[in-house]
Amino acid sequence: QVQLQESGPGLVKPSETLSLTCSVSGYSITSGYYWDWIRQPPGKGPQWIGGVYHSGGTHYNPSLRSRLTLSVDTSRNQFSLNLRSVTAADTAVYHCARRGHNGGQYFFDFWGQGTLITVSS
Amino acid sequence: EVVMTQSPATLSVPPGESATLSCRASQSVSINLAWYQQKPGQAPRLVIYGTSTRATGIPARFSGSGSGTEFTLTISSLQSEDFAVYFCQQYNNWPPFTFGGGTKVEI
Repeated sequence: QVQLQESGPGLVKPSETLSLTCSVSGYSITSGYYWDWIRQPPGKGPQWIGGVYHSGGTHYNPSLRSRLTLSVDTSRNQFSLNLRSVTAADTAVYHCARRGHNGGQYFFDFWGQGTLITVSS
Repeated sequence: EVVMTQSPATLSVPPGESATLSCRASQSVSINLAWYQQKPGQAPRLVIYGTSTRATGIPARFSGSGSGTEFTLTISSLQSEDFAVYFCQQYNNWPPFTFGGGTKVEI
């Protein structure tokens, strides 16, 4: 069974950089699929942040592209997110998820439980 | 960006009855539409993809229909474990992939 687990700081100060890591077990990142981040602000629907392939190829949400870097560490079977210059609007539960990559099957079949990130001084 | 609108926001249904959830896209997404179930404190779970294909392990009481801009998730004979929030997601026109605001199915 594919399992994903997010790890992060919980609290980030405004203007700083948010760094999150997703550890994958039960499946090798190098076997395929995109590995994505999705966030959910309190009381709102999910927002797709972006995704990374094991080769390093990325897809970004245009609204976040200027502040976002996604990367993958195949040796640790992990992938990571860096979001720069955060504001209170970035407060959300952040999930990592696996996304299909063949034939346009871009839905998310496995998700992590999520980690709450609060942006506050 | 394709805007996904779900209705109603909350659906109150007795156990054993059926629930019908709606999802509307601001432009056609063909049949590239998925549904997810989310319970408090848990990871979201894929329920339906390709508008009508049930994901692995999803019982037959869940069914999806629609195309273009109008989609429906029907849960027949609601069980206690079905009470949750359901989100729709389009993956036809991207970036970005977009989700609806969710429908809470409650007793």
